[in-house]
Amino acid sequence: DAKTTQPNSMESNEEEPVHLPCNHSTISGTDYIHWYRQLPSQGPEYVIHGLTSNVNNRMASLAIAEDRKSSTLILHRATLRDAAVYYCSTWGNTGTASKLTFGTGTRLQVTL
Amino acid sequence: NAGVTQTPKFQVLKTGQSMTLQCAQDMNHNSMYWYRQDPGMGLRLIYYSASEGTTDKGEVPNGYNVSRLNKREFSLRLESAAPSQTSVYFCASHSSGNTIYFGEGSWLTVV
Repeated sequence: DAKTTQPNSMESNEEEPVHLPCNHSTISGTDYIHWYRQLPSQGPEYVIHGLTSNVNNRMASLAIAEDRKSSTLILHRATLRDAAVYYCSTWGNTGTASKLTFGTGTRLQVTL
Repeated sequence: NAGVTQTPKFQVLKTGQSMTLQCAQDMNHNSMYWYRQDPGMGLRLIYYSASEGTTDKGEVPNGYNVSRLNKREFSLRLESAAPSQTSVYFCASHSSGNTIYFGEGSWLTVV
């Protein structure tokens, strides 16, 4: 599974968009890009995932670079409840277990 | 909806004691995982299991053993606890549908 690199922390004002970057330059052609977030004192929760095309869901959007070596998680309007650690990871969808590893993540702070 | 259930939620151990963290999922997932998370750090994979009866080492397996006795349950055992094993432990499961489901965590302190 490819190694990912994310900034340690980012800040945003409430109601503003947030772009969280992730580099995964060693991603293989069949690996999906996954984003999870972890609220304080909770287990991580799924945010979004994609393979090649940009993806949207009710929580966020995922923009994937054309060469797939990087991606950006977009929160369109940050709220105080979005303050969390965001993890980017990549792994395959082979139907069998693989070493699902996560990097250190980006701690997002949201202020009024 | 139960999802992934971990027990106990909190535990204090003395150095050298043993204990088992239990994890169960009710989503019929094939794959299960154990992670540890130290304060201010990311998740590190301890062990994982592709299916019932199979287990594999992750990034930090030393000092731990696991058991996947059936499809639902995946336990993590500390045979002789050390202060370095003070951490929050998360169990997770997933199927080929990609989404990973995590438990709420087990806070372990070894004194």
